[in-house]
Amino acid sequence: AAGVIQSPRHLIKEKRETATLKCYPIPRHDTVYWYQQGPGQDPQFLISFYEKMQSDKGSIPDRFSAQQFSDYHSELNMSSLELGDSALYFCASSSGQGGETQYFGPGTRLLVL
Amino acid sequence: AQSVTQPDIHITVSEGASLELRCNYSYGATPYLFWYVQSPGQGLQLLLKYFSGDTLVQGIKGFEAEFKRSQSSFNLRKPSVHWSDAAEYFCAVGADTGFQKLVFGTGTRLLVSP
Repeated sequence: AAGVIQSPRHLIKEKRETATLKCYPIPRHDTVYWYQQGPGQDPQFLISFYEKMQSDKGSIPDRFSAQQFSDYHSELNMSSLELGDSALYFCASSSGQGGETQYFGPGTRLLVL
Repeated sequence: AQSVTQPDIHITVSEGASLELRCNYSYGATPYLFWYVQSPGQGLQLLLKYFSGDTLVQGIKGFEAEFKRSQSSFNLRKPSVHWSDAAEYFCAVGADTGFQKLVFGTGTRLLVSP
């Protein structure tokens, strides 16, 4: 079965650079969630989209922005990168409007030097 | 707001022995409960979920979990652990309303000894 696709899988950036992470949800899933998992930490919710509209917002820095496109893929844009942004970034997708199961992608590991 | 507590940071179990990982949640309404497993450097794989109905749910890889409302718990169990079960296990809670984020516990790292 098709799964959530994230690209790139690994990314190395310098401080103050920008990064763009992409997420392709499972076909026919209309909701996308982004999570950040720091080293040794649990995943923390950043932001979510349903039908191309932002549906919920968590502890996402102002330096980050995200959107969902007409084909339901989503991009997380990160600017002015800081060392503390080094983490594993997960995208998850679900179908429907209520408490549906979220299926996670393999994650993008971002290292900021 | 939802919260999840996984009281055990690490657990070591002998191969072939039984396993129980504890999870307690806090949520005012009916919770949606999940267990995910994460191998080192890998993504999160769904083991099982509870939405409603039978409080004992079966998942993949021989895992099961029991929802106990009176104890606000959703403990994960496996009767016989295999070496390949060594991983990080996360319990998570979601709301029963739309577009709700998952709130994760801090995880329990399972080590399997020969």
